[in-house]
Amino acid sequence: QKEVEQDPGPLSVPEGAIVSLNCTYSNSAFQYFMWYRQYSRKGPELLMYTYSSGNKEDGRFTAQVDKSSKYISLFIRDSQPSDSATYLCAMRSTGGFKTIFGAGTRLFVKA
Amino acid sequence: NAGVTQTPKFQVLKTGQSMTLQCAQDMNHEYMSWYRQDPGMGLRLIHYSVGAGITDQGEVPNGYNVSRSTTEDFPLRLLSAAPSQTSVYFCASSPGTGTSFSNQPQHFGDGTRLSIL
Repeated sequence: QKEVEQDPGPLSVPEGAIVSLNCTYSNSAFQYFMWYRQYSRKGPELLMYTYSSGNKEDGRFTAQVDKSSKYISLFIRDSQPSDSATYLCAMRSTGGFKTIFGAGTRLFVKA
Repeated sequence: NAGVTQTPKFQVLKTGQSMTLQCAQDMNHEYMSWYRQDPGMGLRLIHYSVGAGITDQGEVPNGYNVSRSTTEDFPLRLLSAAPSQTSVYFCASSPGTGTSFSNQPQHFGDGTRLSIL
């Protein structure tokens, strides 16, 4: 079993929809949780970064962490065609040097 | 600032050839790492470095060597290329020293696409 599980999709939604992206994990030591966005033929770019449990909001993006369920989510409100990309979840334990990534979910937002 | 710069962007090798993938960052980051990205596998850590002269293995280190002689540069060497090493390689960096690496997200380059025939 992988340490981090992420549905690869693809996920196709109409413009303006609310998008929900999710990851589950098995290592209870993970404390730092990240979401990266990756456009085709580009490197991942950091979207959201949270520590421990709770919610974090940044514009149209909201990240949620539920450590009791070992489940993290990224919500995108009012999705735009420019949001079409692959979204990678990532996590790390306190004092750890290694970041574990999910496989990524491909998102298509149709105009 | 250029951020993290990787060269070359594309490369085709024959089985058994060796080559070096270059990675440079201009942010004075202590932590640097190399990942490979394969379809359905996400990013997997090959090697990482917490500072000049200090390197360690990641999840998939076999067939790769690294060294870190300066803060800015972290080259990845393929010793004898194999078709299984066909992949997209990403270099990343983040600030921090000692045990504070864990709370610093990483900045990525745009990758090197490597094909081995």
